[in-house]
Amino acid sequence: GDSVTQTEGPVTVSESESLIINCTYSATSIAYPNLFWYVRYPGEGLQLLLKVITAGQKGSSRGFEATYNKETTSFHLQKASVQESDSAVYYCALGDPTNAYKVIFGKGTHLHVLP
Amino acid sequence: EAGVTQSPRYAVLQEGQAVSFWCDPISGHDTLYWYQQPRDQGPQLLVYFRDEAVIDNSQLPSDRFSAVRPKGTNSTLKIQSAKQGDTATYLCASSFGERLFFGHGTKLSVL
Repeated sequence: GDSVTQTEGPVTVSESESLIINCTYSATSIAYPNLFWYVRYPGEGLQLLLKVITAGQKGSSRGFEATYNKETTSFHLQKASVQESDSAVYYCALGDPTNAYKVIFGKGTHLHVLP
Repeated sequence: EAGVTQSPRYAVLQEGQAVSFWCDPISGHDTLYWYQQPRDQGPQLLVYFRDEAVIDNSQLPSDRFSAVRPKGTNSTLKIQSAKQGDTATYLCASSFGERLFFGHGTKLSVL
């Protein structure tokens, strides 16, 4: 079936350190999946961080980057230097553009950034 | 622009009681989704609509859960006879395209 697997948390890093949260997907019924990272900051609702809808392309937002790699079925989230304000729960997600954009989420990775 | 609005924010029930969740999507968004998010899990799709039509409700426990979107705008998700295993946050999202916009959710506790 279609699924998303991501780094299990919590992940704790210190401010200014680099970060990578791994995400791999299985899209057995989706020919051209769209890939997303969503984030939930403390006290806020879930919101889109970045998206990539074409294999091989990179998405970026707020200093975060992720490259859609169709060969390895991966969409890892990276940031060169995290800030305390990046503390949040990050969700990798897989979308089907031909099926009313049905979106499947991973379990989420809780990130703690220490000052 | 107003976001996705959900109510109530919290609900506490005894097993066997019924509860309804209400969602007002962003105006103009044709697709509406209901997700169930158990504690420490990702959102799991229950049902989604395009306009008033159900596109997929295969993950909805149909014996106790129901969802409607009669005019293609607001939607209601109902649990007929709640069980402890239904304890979760229920999220509504809407979209017009690939990006989902979420409400704050309804946190349900079934005792």
